[in-house]
Amino acid sequence: NAGVTQTPKFQVLKTGQSMTLQCAQDMNHNSMYWYRQDPGMGLRLIYYSASEGTTDKGEVPNGYNVSRLNKREFSLRLESAAPSQTSVYFCASRLGQHNQPQHFGDGTRLSIL
Amino acid sequence: AQTVTQSQPEMSVQEAETVTLSCTYDTSESNYYLFWYKQPPSRQMILVIRQEAYKQQNATENRFSVNFQKAAKSFSLKISDSQLGDTAMYFCAFMKNQGGKLIFGQGTELSVKP
Repeated sequence: NAGVTQTPKFQVLKTGQSMTLQCAQDMNHNSMYWYRQDPGMGLRLIYYSASEGTTDKGEVPNGYNVSRLNKREFSLRLESAAPSQTSVYFCASRLGQHNQPQHFGDGTRLSIL
Repeated sequence: AQTVTQSQPEMSVQEAETVTLSCTYDTSESNYYLFWYKQPPSRQMILVIRQEAYKQQNATENRFSVNFQKAAKSFSLKISDSQLGDTAMYFCAFMKNQGGKLIFGQGTELSVKP
């Protein structure tokens, strides 16, 4: 099983460019999440989707939008990239029941110049 | 709001020895879940162990075990018989009973030395 697949793995953007990070899971999970990881900090939640058709803001949503395209796919969009959005982005999914843990993708390293 | 604190940015241990990583958290919830994730240089996030707050018994997974002190809001990870492959960043994480959102600590970078 592929689990959680993120594309691309690396990307360099110029300030002001737009970009969509893709995430897909094949585990029939209900909930999906987007995190960012900055040096010296743990992962912080950007947006999440508790179930297909719903999305909610997390801790650091400013500058991002998301789309839960279907049960499998959850994309993260940067409309006008800023250097402060340089980070490693992780997508995760979870079955949605009580103590079930999140399963993570391998991350996307995004640099904005 | 919940917070998770890992007060040890870096730790090192000799191969085959035991090491304990600390984690404290703050919450007013009574039902919740705690996790330890491992992030090796490959950047993957790998679940190491989980603990349900309503369970008094400490979780164990092979060489990994936790010391869960609910009243003290403490959740430490003990790694026994440390191996070179244990070298990684370790994150403590909190999850409320509903919603599934994880709140992470800042991480502890563990180096296992031969």
